[in-house]
Amino acid sequence: AQSVTQLDSQVPVFEEAPVELRCNYSSSVSVYLFWYVQYPNQGLQLLLKYLSGSTLVESINGFEAEFNKSQTSFHLRKPSVHISDTAEYFCAVSPQGGSEKLVFGKGTKLTVNP
Amino acid sequence: EAGVAQSPRYKIIEKRQSVAFWCNPISGHATLYWYQQILGQGPKLLIQFQNNGVVDDSQLPKDRFSAERLKGVDSTLKIQPAKLEDSAVYLCASSRGPVGEQYFGPGTRLTVT
Repeated sequence: AQSVTQLDSQVPVFEEAPVELRCNYSSSVSVYLFWYVQYPNQGLQLLLKYLSGSTLVESINGFEAEFNKSQTSFHLRKPSVHISDTAEYFCAVSPQGGSEKLVFGKGTKLTVNP
Repeated sequence: EAGVAQSPRYKIIEKRQSVAFWCNPISGHATLYWYQQILGQGPKLLIQFQNNGVVDDSQLPKDRFSAERLKGVDSTLKIQPAKLEDSAVYLCASSRGPVGEQYFGPGTRLTVT
């Protein structure tokens, strides 16, 4: 079975500051890793994913995440945040070779203040 | 391309009543998922369909929850009878692949009083 731990339930930052949202996972098999974002009153949207290859993956809006196998982590970072990045961010894993089932963490609420 | 559609968006019922949610996935997506998202928690998979067959329903409370996907397209999730702890947002998602490309609907917020 898999589990995901998001270490911070809320992260307040000021606009243009850097941010890191932490994610650790536990699994007895190899996994794929994802970050989803949920804006208020909207469904979840895929932000980025790691399937294989380079351990650093990037999204189109400036976020990046690095897969660290030894630390079983997949932290999300952005060097300079905008007000519009205010949302809830969910880390998720899916076992490789399985049913594509996603196991989510509890989420981190990112609030960007002016 | 139209997204995943869900209805209703909001529903308030009393405990022991029944309720049904509807989902229309993205056209051509063979896999459909229902998730339950309780306030303060991440989504939890209730049931996964591949076309109109069930792939995983291990976390579906089968004594009160049921789901079907007729003709491998639309899906309905039903709760009968509802309990207070069923208050949550019910998310529908669909995928065609590759791995992890699940597209989510806006969800149905259920309040059981």
